[in-house]
Amino acid sequence: AQSVSQHNHHVILSEAASLELGCNYSYGGTVNLFWYVQYPGQHLQLLLKYFSGDPLVKGIKGFEAEFIKSKFSFNLRKPSVQWSDTAEYFCAVNTNYGGSQGNLIFGKGTKLSVKP
Amino acid sequence: EPEVTQTPSHQVTQMGQEVILRCVPISNHLYFYWYRQILGQKVEFLVSFYNNEISEKSEIFDDQFSVERPDGSNFTLKIRSTKLEDSAMYFCASTRGQSNQPQHFGDGTRLSIL
Repeated sequence: AQSVSQHNHHVILSEAASLELGCNYSYGGTVNLFWYVQYPGQHLQLLLKYFSGDPLVKGIKGFEAEFIKSKFSFNLRKPSVQWSDTAEYFCAVNTNYGGSQGNLIFGKGTKLSVKP
Repeated sequence: EPEVTQTPSHQVTQMGQEVILRCVPISNHLYFYWYRQILGQKVEFLVSFYNNEISEKSEIFDDQFSVERPDGSNFTLKIRSTKLEDSAMYFCASTRGQSNQPQHFGDGTRLSIL
């Protein structure tokens, strides 16, 4: 069965620090990869996605992620975080395999707290 | 930008009672999903719905659960006889296409079973 692992449960950074959140998935076939963000009191919003092509994808608000197929990883990065980035970040995967209707498999989430 | 809307935002129900959670997906979307998140745990897939029928469901989605799209706009999740362990946030999502289209999520309904 597919699974998604997010290594950090809670990350605390000061403003302007660089961010990298780890995400690994277990599935040997073709996957689609997503990062969602949930700001306090709000719904899940798509940050960025990877389907094919350039493994370095850029998303909204200065976030980017790199798909490394050999490592089954899709880590999220931002060079300089802001207080407004305080939120919970979810890595998710889906596939087209076996007639799947695209349901997402989520990681447990990483809570990011940015100190002003 | 169009949004997925869910009502109510918070539902408190006695154990054993039926509950219906409502969702209005984005109007030109074709695929609909329910997920849930028990406090402190990961978001889990429950069910997907396409062309007026369930297309996929997880092992969580047992006989106590049902979904329907009664009027072409609402997409509902019914829990027939609630249990304490059904307490969770329930998220509705919709997408135009299948796996290569991002899913748009509602704000969620917090279900509390007493």
